[in-house]
Amino acid sequence: KQEVTQIPAALSVPEGENLVLNCSFTDSAIYNLQWFRQDPGKGLTSLLLIQSSQREQTSGRLNASLDKSSGRSTLYIAASQPGDSATYLCAVYSGGSNYKLTFGKGTLLTVNP
Amino acid sequence: DGGITQSPKYLFRKEGQNVTLSCEQNLNHDAMYWYRQDPGQGLRLIYYSQIVNDFQKGDIAEGYSVSREKKESFPLTVTSAQKNPTAFYLCASSINSYAGDGYTFGSGTRLTVV
Repeated sequence: KQEVTQIPAALSVPEGENLVLNCSFTDSAIYNLQWFRQDPGKGLTSLLLIQSSQREQTSGRLNASLDKSSGRSTLYIAASQPGDSATYLCAVYSGGSNYKLTFGKGTLLTVNP
Repeated sequence: DGGITQSPKYLFRKEGQNVTLSCEQNLNHDAMYWYRQDPGQGLRLIYYSQIVNDFQKGDIAEGYSVSREKKESFPLTVTSAQKNPTAFYLCASSINSYAGDGYTFGSGTRLTVV
């Protein structure tokens, strides 16, 4: 059974700092990994999607890496801003006979002005 | 713009009452999903549908039912058999079961038992 762990559970940083969020998964047989952002009381917004054959994806100040063999992904946020404050969720898609995403519990990020 | 629309945003249910949450997508996606989110527990899969007129139970299907009569629509009914229905419900879709383009989520429905 796939399990996804996100560390840390919460993170508070001053504005302008570069930061890394971590995601690990137990079964390396994945199709892709997706990072989401969730604001309080809102749905999930997709940030980055990394296919199993890729090593990283970039969008603006965000960079996500994937090391499938070790079961790890990181989300790097450059020059953090107060507007980046949200919960960040990592999810892996394993496919096979169990078509679903498996989510981590998220990292609650607070960027202080 | 294409996307997923969930309604209502807030829903209140009395004890013993069935309620239905709406999920509509105009992305032309084959696969649709319902997740439940509780504080400290992350997202858990309730039901999923790979194609019209077909659906399967997820990890926590007891007390819920779904239908998939149209490609665009995947409503979720929370029945009186669901003992603890208060939660945030999220609907999602993907282009197909292999989710090569990832998942798209709606804005959610918050259900409260009164």
